[in-house]
Amino acid sequence: AQTVTQSQPEMSVQEAETVTLSCTYDTSESDYYLFWYKQPPSRQMILVIRQEAYKQQNATENRFSVNFQKAAKSFSLKISDSQLGDAAMYFCAYRSRGDKIIFGKGTRLHILP
Amino acid sequence: DTEVTQTPKHLVMGMTNKKSLKCEQHMGHRAMYWYKQKAKKPPELMFVYSYEKLSINESVPSRFSPECPNSSLLNLHLHALQPEDSALYLCASSQVDANTEAFFGQGTRLTVV
Repeated sequence: AQTVTQSQPEMSVQEAETVTLSCTYDTSESDYYLFWYKQPPSRQMILVIRQEAYKQQNATENRFSVNFQKAAKSFSLKISDSQLGDAAMYFCAYRSRGDKIIFGKGTRLHILP
Repeated sequence: DTEVTQTPKHLVMGMTNKKSLKCEQHMGHRAMYWYKQKAKKPPELMFVYSYEKLSINESVPSRFSPECPNSSLLNLHLHALQPEDSALYLCASSQVDANTEAFFGQGTRLTVV
């Protein structure tokens, strides 16, 4: 069975600094997608970034980028120039063939002004 | 339109009540999901509908009854709930059996008294 592990329950970063959130996963599949979702206090789960497993190039979306290490089954999220609006729960998620999307336990990110 | 709309946003119900949660999307997605989320926890998958047919039931108690009347709508019928069923209920949609992300609604905050 596939699993997703986020080992950092909480993290804090100074505004304008860079922070990296960790995620590891376990799967025997070769074709899958990985995602980072953000859930602010408003409750809505918002997609931050996605990575296709067959692509070696790391995905980037503005201040958000990932470090995807397929062999190590690691998928970390780097947030550059942290802003107060980045404060939220961040969930790492996995999806392969089929419709099941599996979430990690989440990392609560605090931004210090 | 990348919205998933859930109604109501908040619901308080007694243990003998019957109520329904509603979810609607117009993105042409044929996979629709119900997740349950307790405070400070990740979303837990409850049900998945694929092409309007129930494809995944994660051993959810029968007091929760899903329904997918058409490709745009998803309902969750609630009956004889327990206080421990109080949670945020999230609806999501995605393409079927494709390695793409799911889009989430804002959720219904359910309180069982």
